[in-house]
Amino acid sequence: RKEVEQDPGPFNVPEGATVAFNCTYSNSASQSFFWYRQDCRKEPKLLMSVYSSGNEDGRFTAQLNRASQYISLLIRDSKLSDSATYLCVVTTNDYKLSFGAGTTVTVRA
Amino acid sequence: EPEVTQTPSHQVTQMGQEVILRCVPISNHLYFYWYRQILGQKVEFLVSFYNNEISEKSEIFDDQFSVERPDGSNFTLKIRSTKLEDSAMYFCASSDRSDQPQHFGDGTRLSIL
Repeated sequence: RKEVEQDPGPFNVPEGATVAFNCTYSNSASQSFFWYRQDCRKEPKLLMSVYSSGNEDGRFTAQLNRASQYISLLIRDSKLSDSATYLCVVTTNDYKLSFGAGTTVTVRA
Repeated sequence: EPEVTQTPSHQVTQMGQEVILRCVPISNHLYFYWYRQILGQKVEFLVSFYNNEISEKSEIFDDQFSVERPDGSNFTLKIRSTKLEDSAMYFCASSDRSDQPQHFGDGTRLSIL
């Protein structure tokens, strides 16, 4: 089983729509959770950390369910600039990030 | 905003040659990492480095790979004898604490011919 699994998408949504997707992780000892975004052929950029209580950053809401070992990301009022690949990232110890393969989101005008 | 910088942006090398990829982490960061991403695939961890030694390395990071912090600012990845399958994007990252998010450089595209 892969360490981090994501629905690859693509999610093709109109501007202003809400889009949500999940990621599952295999190691119950995982400690820290993040969403990064990656634009084509660019570096991963931190979008937000994910906390146990769930957290929001503007139009982005992240949830963590430790019992079921999944993380979700919801994007409200999507913008054209939200088009990217969203990477679910998990750490088991403090030294390395384990990346999912990414979920592609395309926002159309 | 401080950033991680990597050079060169693109390196083309003949198979069997040595390459050195260079990174300048964010100045007050203490933890350094290398990742790679083969075209169309996910980002993969290679190695982490703290206090002048390797903290952890993946199976990919075999004897052909080495890392060094030659001075107070640079962090390098050396591939001793490159293979075709080493062609990938190599990302350097750094963090100020081990439990804090890592910040990535914009990568070096390595092409092995």
